[in-house]
Amino acid sequence: GNSVTQMEGPVTLSEEAFLTINCTYTATGYPSLFWYVQYPGEGLQLLLKATKADDKGSNKGFEATYRKETTSFHLEKGSVQVSDSAVYFCALTTYNTDKLIFGTGTRLQVFP
Amino acid sequence: DAGVTQSPTHLIKTRGQQVTLRCSPKSGHDTVSWYQQALGQGPQFIFQYYEEEERQRGNFPDRFSGHQFPNYSSELNVNALLLGDSALYLCASSLAESVIYGYTFGSGTRLTVV
Repeated sequence: GNSVTQMEGPVTLSEEAFLTINCTYTATGYPSLFWYVQYPGEGLQLLLKATKADDKGSNKGFEATYRKETTSFHLEKGSVQVSDSAVYFCALTTYNTDKLIFGTGTRLQVFP
Repeated sequence: DAGVTQSPTHLIKTRGQQVTLRCSPKSGHDTVSWYQQALGQGPQFIFQYYEEEERQRGNFPDRFSGHQFPNYSSELNVNALLLGDSALYLCASSLAESVIYGYTFGSGTRLTVV
């Protein structure tokens, strides 16, 4: 079946450090891939997406590239801020189903 | 532009009771999905409604049921509550056939079963 695996957290960084959160997936067909962010006490917000191999999604300084050969969609940011502290979820959906399948989430904590 | 609105924000129920959660989708969206997010976990798909019909269902028992109204709003009902039903329930709306553009999520209803 389809699934998403994320690196476990928490990830603890100092402000302006480089961020990588690993995400790999298993899917039949050609999935669309997403990163969602959840700030404390809030719902999920779409951060970025990619719908086909080699696509790069980007938003607010975050980037992720859809790598079909390694079935990965790692999230990166060159310089994190305290305000980036949140839980990040990698997710996929496939053409024949509209449901999102999420990873378990990775908590990011950024300290000044 | 109002996003997805869920009510109530918090709820405490006793084991065996029944609960109804409500969701108003983002303006222009016609599809509503419900997810259960247990503490420290990723959201799990419960079911999806489109044109007032349940279109897909995840691996949840029949105690979980739903409804979609002509104005696209939706309800999630859970009967015979168990302690394990304690979770954040998220509603997400989208346009049918356009999910690749991503869902819009509400802030959720925090259900505590005691």
